[in-house]
Amino acid sequence: EAGVTQFPSHSVIEKGQTVTLRCDPISGHDNLYWYRRVMGKEIKFLLHFVKESKQDESGMPNNRFLAERTGGTYSTLKVQPAELEDSGVYFCASSQGYEAFFGQGTRLTVV
Amino acid sequence: QKEVEQNSGPLSVPEGAIASLNCTYSDRVSQSFFWYRQYSGKSPELIMSIYSNGDKEDGRFTAQLNKASQYVSLLIRDSQPSDSATYLCAVIRYSGGGADGLTFGKGTHLIIQP
Repeated sequence: EAGVTQFPSHSVIEKGQTVTLRCDPISGHDNLYWYRRVMGKEIKFLLHFVKESKQDESGMPNNRFLAERTGGTYSTLKVQPAELEDSGVYFCASSQGYEAFFGQGTRLTVV
Repeated sequence: QKEVEQNSGPLSVPEGAIASLNCTYSDRVSQSFFWYRQYSGKSPELIMSIYSNGDKEDGRFTAQLNKASQYVSLLIRDSQPSDSATYLCAVIRYSGGGADGLTFGKGTHLIIQP
């Protein structure tokens, strides 16, 4: 069974540019989560989809971040325009029950 | 405010000994608790989940939960060098509409000395 897949694995962009991260969850998992880890800090929750609906987006830092989940399958997280403080590792996770499985993450560097 | 606290370490344990990792949480309504292992540059890997007070054993791993004291621990028996990693404690709180996202601690860096 394929795990959670994220791409790109790395992205380096300039401040002010736009970046879109993609996550493909484990097939059949209704729950999809986005998390972020900035250097020296703990992994922080961003938002939670149940199928195609946003269940909880209380962790989204500001309106420069937009997440979508098309047809309850893959999800994208767009940052527009990117700022320096957006640098970090963005993880996606999926679950069917309470146990969540993580992707490899996308390391985003904004310069 | 949800908060999960762990000693960041490093925690150094000789090979073959028992490694003991601890975690406390502040939200009394928390109901589900998880331990993830993360190797450097890799994704968090779920190794244990525990939902009720007491001990839960899986191979060399034992998770312990005490809701009254708001702490959860992970014991690793017969520690191996391959157990060297960062161990993340995570807590989930149900909102009634399903499982909320996880709140993580900063992690404990474990080093198993050969």
